Amino acid sequence: EADIYQTPRYLVIGTGKKITLECSQTMGHDKMYWYQQDPGMELHLIHYSYGVNSTEKGDLSSESTVSRIRTEHFPLTLESARPSHTSQYLCASSEPGTTYQETQYFGPGTRLLVL
Amino acid sequence: EDKVVQSPLSLVVHEGDTVTLNCSYEVTNFRSLLWYKQEKKAPTFLFMLTSSGIEKKSGRLSSILDKKELFSILNITATQTGDSAIYLCAVVVEGDKIIFGKGTRLHILP
Repeated sequence: EADIYQTPRYLVIGTGKKITLECSQTMGHDKMYWYQQDPGMELHLIHYSYGVNSTEKGDLSSESTVSRIRTEHFPLTLESARPSHTSQYLCASSEPGTTYQETQYFGPGTRLLVL
Repeated sequence: EDKVVQSPLSLVVHEGDTVTLNCSYEVTNFRSLLWYKQEKKAPTFLFMLTSSGIEKKSGRLSSILDKKELFSILNITATQTGDSAIYLCAVVVEGDKIIFGKGTRLHILP
């Protein structure tokens, strides 16, 4: 079973606060991803990383930023949270394999509510 | 624009019934298709399909891909209440990007 962790699981904060959502994995995976999912809607890729010091923006424009200083750690930061950021944020990593044939493992998600 | 379309969006059946969930896609540089089951939290991986016509099975679940007609189906036989979930289809394209469908919300009545 994959070991990928996200904290916090639930977060309620006020507008304008800076927040960091943590994601870590113990599998040594190089590739990691952040997705945003609103209730009943599809997953949208907002950031991904191919390895240390590599970060790319995904398909959905996001005001968040990410960093990848260590292989196992891929935190997501919102400098100034707004109610429009209320959503579920899912982190994933994928195991090495032949190119384009990879399986993603998801963390439990962080449900963010910005008041 | 790459897109993945799942149907139906919602389905309610009785325990013991067989269901077929559909996923069609229009993407450039297809690499693989993934099925996930999502309950209250994060999606859990079910299948990865890369070749046409080869069925993948896991217990009562099975899936097959048709790369000519650009679709995949996920079958669940002898459904149980524990199968109630959202089933997500996703397509991996060149560049390792993954496009998800909106999901099919399946509810199994006891």
